[in-house]
Parts: sequence; structure tokens; C-alpha cells
Amino acid sequence: GQQLNQSPQSMFIQEGEDVSMNCTSSSIFNTWLWYKQDPGEGPVLLIALYKAGELTSNGRLTAQFGITRKDSFLNISASIPSDVGIYFCAGQLGSGNTPLVFGKGTRLSVIA
Amino acid sequence: SAVISQKPSRDICQRGTSLTIQCQVDSQVTMMFWYRQQPGQSLTLIATANQGSEATYESGFVIDKFPISRPNLTFSTLTVSNMSPEDSSIYLCSSRIAGWNTEAFFGQGTRLTVV
Repeated sequence: GQQLNQSPQSMFIQEGEDVSMNCTSSSIFNTWLWYKQDPGEGPVLLIALYKAGELTSNGRLTAQFGITRKDSFLNISASIPSDVGIYFCAGQLGSGNTPLVFGKGTRLSVIA
Repeated sequence: SAVISQKPSRDICQRGTSLTIQCQVDSQVTMMFWYRQQPGQSLTLIATANQGSEATYESGFVIDKFPISRPNLTFSTLTVSNMSPEDSSIYLCSSRIAGWNTEAFFGQGTRLTVV
């Protein structure tokens, strides 16, 4: 089946630093999504990308849909303690009737 | 997007018993998806549930172990049957508004511990 390779697996950073994580795939996706999961909660959507080459920001978060449609990155600028959590990339082929394929997640720890 | 209410949020169950997880969506959706997230792992799709038809299960998951109901366009249940400690996971339901370029939204998850 399709797989997403997400890296890094975990990160420990100082508060105020910038963070970058990425996902690659052997398959082409129509949509790339980035989610954050806090302990005991379901994933919450951060950014959705629908076009190859698209660069989208949401506050301190910026994500890009790779030109080849096989990769995406997420940047977090000026990290704060509440950024702690697990970040998942997800890719999708097709319409709303198709499920997402998830990366393995990046566990982010922010040291104050 | 829409809101999914999932319950229970957590449960501790004896091995050999069954647990039914419910998800209620605040709008009508075509498909609902059930995922399992084992400790420290990513989300793995269990099955896709379409209203009025049998759910479609992914490789490694079977209906006898994870029966799913989808009686209408706003509700679905997943039952974890004859539980063993290996079933201890977070179970998540998800859906998307039909159409292109729509993102998936999730329930809060059910943290299941089997003892």
C-alpha cells in the first residue's frame, strides 16, 4: 500500500527556534494535509494543501505542496511551549470518499 | 468542516469482552472512516463505512473482530470484539464532507486499555 515517509521522528528544540519537518511519498497525492495531535485527543487539522507548488501559511505555520506532488514540508517559526505534540502529514488521492494515508508522525518537544 | 462527538473517551476492559464505540457527526456525511492508533504509532485505517452497505475493511482487519454499523448519514459504531491486550489502542473515527479538496476531521478518540 501507499506509505508516507515522515521525518524527523522526533525533535527537541529550544523555545523560539524554528522547526521544519517533511514527508515524502512514492505515490502522487492530490491533497496534502498537516495535523497536530495533543495527548488524549484526536488529530486537529493545521494546514491543507490542494495544488502542486502551493505555499500556505497559518499564523506561525507554513506548509508547501511539492511540485512533484510526492512531498510536503511544514515549518513552525518561533516555537512556543504549546507547540508540543505529534505532527502528522497525510496524503489523499481523490474525492471525499477516499481515506487519508498518514505519515508516522514527528514528536515535537519544546524546551522553555 | 463538521464536528464529530465520539464516546467513550476512554475505557478499561477485561479480555474476552467487547466494547462499542460511537461517533455522531453534526452534519450528514457520505463516508466515515475508522482508524486505530497503537501506542506511539501513526494512524492505521481499519475500515471505511458507507451508509446502507457493508463496511470495507483494510488488510489485516476483519468484520468478525471489528463489526461496524452505519445506520444513517450522521452516525456510526465500531465494536472491538473478544478483546485481548493487543487491542489496547486509541480508536478514532473520521469523516470528510463529500467533494474534492475537503479535509478530514476527527472525533476525540477512544483510549482503550484491555487488561
